[in-house]
Amino acid sequence: QIQLVQSGPELKKPGESVKISCKASGYTFTDYAMHWVKQAPGKGLKWMGWINTYTGKPTYADDFKGRFVFSLEASASTANLQISNLKNEDTATYFCARGVGPVDYWGQGVMVTVSS
Amino acid sequence: DIRMTQSPASLSASLGETVNIECLASEDIYSDLAWYQQKPGKSPQLLIYNANSLQNGVPSRFSGSGSGTQYSLKINSLQSEDVATYFCQQYNNYPLTFGSGTKLEIK
Repeated sequence: QIQLVQSGPELKKPGESVKISCKASGYTFTDYAMHWVKQAPGKGLKWMGWINTYTGKPTYADDFKGRFVFSLEASASTANLQISNLKNEDTATYFCARGVGPVDYWGQGVMVTVSS
Repeated sequence: DIRMTQSPASLSASLGETVNIECLASEDIYSDLAWYQQKPGKSPQLLIYNANSLQNGVPSRFSGSGSGTQYSLKINSLQSEDVATYFCQQYNNYPLTFGSGTKLEIK
């Protein structure tokens, strides 16, 4: 069955970096884009951007340009999100989600807590 | 960016009732509209895509309708397991944008 399995929760200090992974299984990885979505505690869903899993080209939403990097380990059917120079407002759950058009499968989410 | 205005923000209904959630897009999104259900502590699950197509495995008491800028999600015969927050999302244009969510509770 189709699964997106993300890495575990992270506790970081301001200014540090974090890398989150998302391992896909049950389908051909390069057939679907991988999106990243942020959900701050008690808040709604915010689309961060997507990566073309065939070409590796990332596209970032305006609020996520600069400190955020999407990457792939295509041979391992894995997408990664790296956030550098972490800020308190980066505290959130980060979801990977596959889709061409509608997003149809989501990872379980990774809670990133940024606190001094 | 396309703005998605979702209403109501919260909803309380009795078991067996029918509920409706609305989503208004700031421009025509040509039925490129999905509805998601998110239960506490879980990831969102796709219910409806293309405004009115039921995702595999989703109970038939869920249905979607609409076109242009106005869309709605209908839940017939409300069940206890339907307690969740519901989000609409447009995928007609980047950036993908979500409604602010509707929290559904049982009265």
